[in-house]
Amino acid sequence: AQSVAQPEDQVNVAEGNPLTVKCTYSVSGNPYLFWYVQYPNRGLQFLLKYITGDNLVKGSYGFEAEFNKSQTSFHLKKPSALVSDSALYFCAVRDVGNEKLTFGTGTRLTIIP
Amino acid sequence: NAGVTQTPKFQVLKTGQSMTLQCAQDMNHNSMYWYRQDPGMGLRLIYYSASEGTTDKGEVPNGYNVSRLNKREFSLRLESAAPSQTSVYFCASRDSGRVYEQYFGPGTRLTVT
Repeated sequence: AQSVAQPEDQVNVAEGNPLTVKCTYSVSGNPYLFWYVQYPNRGLQFLLKYITGDNLVKGSYGFEAEFNKSQTSFHLKKPSALVSDSALYFCAVRDVGNEKLTFGTGTRLTIIP
Repeated sequence: NAGVTQTPKFQVLKTGQSMTLQCAQDMNHNSMYWYRQDPGMGLRLIYYSASEGTTDKGEVPNGYNVSRLNKREFSLRLESAAPSQTSVYFCASRDSGRVYEQYFGPGTRLTVT
């Protein structure tokens, strides 16, 4: 079975400060990991993924994420937050060979001007 | 290139009524998915289709049926709507080759009274 945990329902960050949105996962094999963002009344937009290789992956809008196998984590980061980053963020995992994608419950990120 | 489109955007049903949610993609993707999004629960997979002519149950299939009409279209049917099916429904698609991420439609907001 595969699962994802996003331990924080809400994260508040001052504009210009670094931000981190946490994600831990559980899979039986090797994971494919994803971050998606959802703006109000919109569908989910793909941000970045980890498939294999370099543990630090870079994605859209200046976001990056670090894959840590020993801690089974895939935290989303950005060096300097913008007000426009305020949105709902979802982490997702898929076990290699599994068609199904499992999502976390989401973290609402609010950037305070 | 419209990506993934969904119709309708909004729908209100009475308990016991039936309806079909339509989804189409123009990216020539093999795999298609239906999710529901409920507050605090993230996205949960209802059904998916790994290729034209095949469908499989996801995490929450009860009360729903699907049809993969052709490679482009994947519909979700509620035969007898219940208030518990009030949700936002998202369709997604993926190229089952070396593209790993899913692409989402804008969603259908369904209310069952």
